[in-house]
Amino acid sequence: DVKVTQSSRYLVKRTGEKVFLECVQDMDHENMFWYRQDPGLGLRLIYFSYDVKMKEKGDIPEGYSVSREKKERFSLILESASTNQTSMYLCASSFPSGIQHEQYFGPGTRLTVT
Amino acid sequence: AQKITQTQPGMFVQEKEAVTLDCTYDTSDQSYGLFWYKQPSSGEMIFLIYQGSYDEQNATEGRYSLNFQKARKSANLVISASQLGDSAMYFCAMREGSSDLFGNEKLTFGTGTRLTIIP
Repeated sequence: DVKVTQSSRYLVKRTGEKVFLECVQDMDHENMFWYRQDPGLGLRLIYFSYDVKMKEKGDIPEGYSVSREKKERFSLILESASTNQTSMYLCASSFPSGIQHEQYFGPGTRLTVT
Repeated sequence: AQKITQTQPGMFVQEKEAVTLDCTYDTSDQSYGLFWYKQPSSGEMIFLIYQGSYDEQNATEGRYSLNFQKARKSANLVISASQLGDSAMYFCAMREGSSDLFGNEKLTFGTGTRLTIIP
């Protein structure tokens, strides 16, 4: 079974702090994604990566950066956390072969910025 | 314009009844894929079913089926014989363009429908 893990289920940070959210997948997937989920807005793509050291902006990249130094690990970085970044953050991975390319998700990190 | 529209924020259904969750989409691509995911209260998104734009038959996976009406741009999820464990958020999502294109992996999600099964 594909396993996507995220470093924390719950995180509380102060405004202005630098925040790292870590995601690890164990199925050798090329593609990895970071989403944020807010009530009434669904999931919105922040960044994605289709290879080591490669990254592409999603729909809402402002205030975020990412790092992918190893294939299995994709990190989301909030350089200076703000209260409007309080949200649920979901990581996903997929393997670019076959037809479906469905994404496999981690359990999510609920981040609160105070 | 919204690319994925789910018009039902919440639904209540009696256990053992069938339920249809609505999803309409908007794309000018000829090749695209449609997905449904389930998110229980635990938070993890679970892939349920996939329909490709060129698939002539509606996709089915156990109690899940996808009612794909291409001309109407709708991809409704049908759950037969609902169970208490089906209570969750359900999201419709779309991948635009061919799955063969390198790097073309982005999904656009709808806002979701919260389904509650009543015993």
